[in-house]
Amino acid sequence: KQEVTQIPAALSVPEGENLVLNCSFTDSAIYNLQWFRQDPGKGLTSLLLIQSSQREQTSGRLNASLDKSSGRSTLYIAASQPGDSATYLCAVRISSGSARQLTFGSGTQLTVLP
Amino acid sequence: EAGVTQSPTHLIKTRGQQATLRCSPISGHTSVYWYQQALGLGLQFLLWYDEGEERNRGNFPPRFSGRQFPNYSSELNVNALELEDSALYLCASSLVYGDRGNGYTFGSGTRLTVV
Repeated sequence: KQEVTQIPAALSVPEGENLVLNCSFTDSAIYNLQWFRQDPGKGLTSLLLIQSSQREQTSGRLNASLDKSSGRSTLYIAASQPGDSATYLCAVRISSGSARQLTFGSGTQLTVLP
Repeated sequence: EAGVTQSPTHLIKTRGQQATLRCSPISGHTSVYWYQQALGLGLQFLLWYDEGEERNRGNFPPRFSGRQFPNYSSELNVNALELEDSALYLCASSLVYGDRGNGYTFGSGTRLTVV
């Protein structure tokens, strides 16, 4: 059974700092990995999608990496801003054909202080 | 292009009643997934529908059920509501065989409160 862990559970940083969020998964036979952002009481916004054959994806100030063999992904946020404050969720989809749903980590709650 | 839409936004029900939640996927997406996010807990997979059929379900009792219509929209029904069913219910859609490029897109959720 796939398990996804995110460390740290919470993180508070001053504005302008670069930061890294970590995600690990137990089964390396993944189809892809997706990073999401969730604001309090809201739905999920997709940030980056990394296919199993890729090593990294970039969008603006965000960069996500994937190391399938070690079961790890990182989300790098450059020059953080107060608007980046949210919970960041990592989710993996396994390769098994009948199980296309995502398995989520418990998230990292990020607070960027002005 | 319209995103994934869910209705209602909020729903208050009494214990023992039934709740019906609705989801419209992105145009062209054939798969719909339902997730439960209870307070303080992570996202738990409920159900996956594709082409009108239930393809997979998570570890939830049978009183959680649903269906997918010919236009690919979906309903989630929760019977005999219990207090612990209070949660944010999220719907996501994807292309079944084409999601390599797109991943999953989520709606804004329905907040179900059972009193």
